[in-house]
Amino acid sequence: EDQVTQSPEALRLQEGESSSLNCSYTVSGLRGLFWYRQDPGKGPEFLFTLYSAGEEKEKERLKATLTKKESFLHITAPKPEDSATYLCAAINTGGFKTIFGAGTRLFVKA
Amino acid sequence: EAGVAQSPRYKIIEKRQSVAFWCNPISGHATLYWYQQILGQGPKLLIQFQNNGVVDDSQLPKDRFSAERLKGVDSTLKIQPAKLEDSAVYLCASSLNLAKNIQYFGAGTRLSVL
Repeated sequence: EDQVTQSPEALRLQEGESSSLNCSYTVSGLRGLFWYRQDPGKGPEFLFTLYSAGEEKEKERLKATLTKKESFLHITAPKPEDSATYLCAAINTGGFKTIFGAGTRLFVKA
Repeated sequence: EAGVAQSPRYKIIEKRQSVAFWCNPISGHATLYWYQQILGQGPKLLIQFQNNGVVDDSQLPKDRFSAERLKGVDSTLKIQPAKLEDSAVYLCASSLNLAKNIQYFGAGTRLSVL
């Protein structure tokens, strides 16, 4: 069964304290791996898409990487405004079905 | 560019009542998705349309949930009758097509079933 697992469930950081979020996936053929950010009361907002192992994408303080079994979202020198839930999603090649993980809730304290 | 529009934003009903949600995707987007997001969980795909055809509805509880996308643009999701466990946020998303599948989400409808 296709599955996406994210860890940790929650992460508390001090401003400037870098860390990484993990997304492990098991899908029957990966079409794409996506990272979204979700703020309270809002829908998810697209951050990155990765298609093949070894691929990396960067945007401001965020960097996403992909291996054959997992993806990492690295946050460098986070700021309080980076506080949000970060969701990982995988789309399989068979039926174009999107499977989301449960998310990591990030809290960055000033 | 206008985003994905959803209405209503909030709905409170009693169990066994019916409810409908509406979604207007980004203009030109062929693929439309409905998700259920229970508090503290990630979105769960309920149904996915490509134009007005269903691509996947394997996780849609078909005994009580129905969805349609007439003319391949707007979509409605209906629950009849509602149960307590249907309390959740219902998110609509759209993407250019199945291949270009970066999804853009609406703000969602928060449903409370009492």
